[in-house]
Amino acid sequence: DTGVSQDPRHKITKRGQNVTFRCDPISEHNRLYWYRQTLGQGPEFLTYFQNEAQLEKSRLLSDRFSAERPKGSFSTLEIQRTEQGDSAMYLCASSLAEQGDHYEQYFGPGTRLTVT
Amino acid sequence: AQKVTQAQTEISVVEKEDVTLDCVYETRDTTYYLFWYKQPPSGELVFLIRRNSFDEQNEISGRYSWNFQKSTSSFNFTITASQVVDSAVYFCALSEVFRVKGNQFYFGTGTSLTVIP
Repeated sequence: DTGVSQDPRHKITKRGQNVTFRCDPISEHNRLYWYRQTLGQGPEFLTYFQNEAQLEKSRLLSDRFSAERPKGSFSTLEIQRTEQGDSAMYLCASSLAEQGDHYEQYFGPGTRLTVT
Repeated sequence: AQKVTQAQTEISVVEKEDVTLDCVYETRDTTYYLFWYKQPPSGELVFLIRRNSFDEQNEISGRYSWNFQKSTSSFNFTITASQVVDSAVYFCALSEVFRVKGNQFYFGTGTSLTVIP
């Protein structure tokens, strides 16, 4: 039984470049979440999908950020024109959402982004 | 306003001591869920427990136990007879049910636990 996987695990980029991260959720999970975590902080919600629909976006998600989940399976998170403030760990999580209940989210190992 | 507060930033205990990690939450919803996650040095968040707002029974799982008290909006986590492998950052999280577009987790800032051998 495979868990949530993320690729790449580490990314170093120069300011102004675009980067794209991929997340593969647990196969039977219909919800997929993206979070950002900086040192000494808890994960901060960015956005989430139910199947292929993006249902909510945080105000943290500026217009340089875009996420997709085209077939309701894997998801990508793209950051355009990266800034040093984007340096963080980007976490993906998935869960099985059924009406009337809130299941725990299972997290991937994260992608650590460093913008130089 | 911070929805989940973990006032203890860092805790150090000697192996075999008991330790309690505090979590205080804030919500106007009557139906919500609370969670604890562990983030070891390897970095991956590991789910420990989920609790819904209607179930105030304390829970014990091996060396772990949880004390949920709605009257004080607290969901504390105790590790009995701590071990070096318990060293990690522990996060408490809140999920509110009655949101228009589904659940979002609010995480606390975490408590870093170091167990000294």
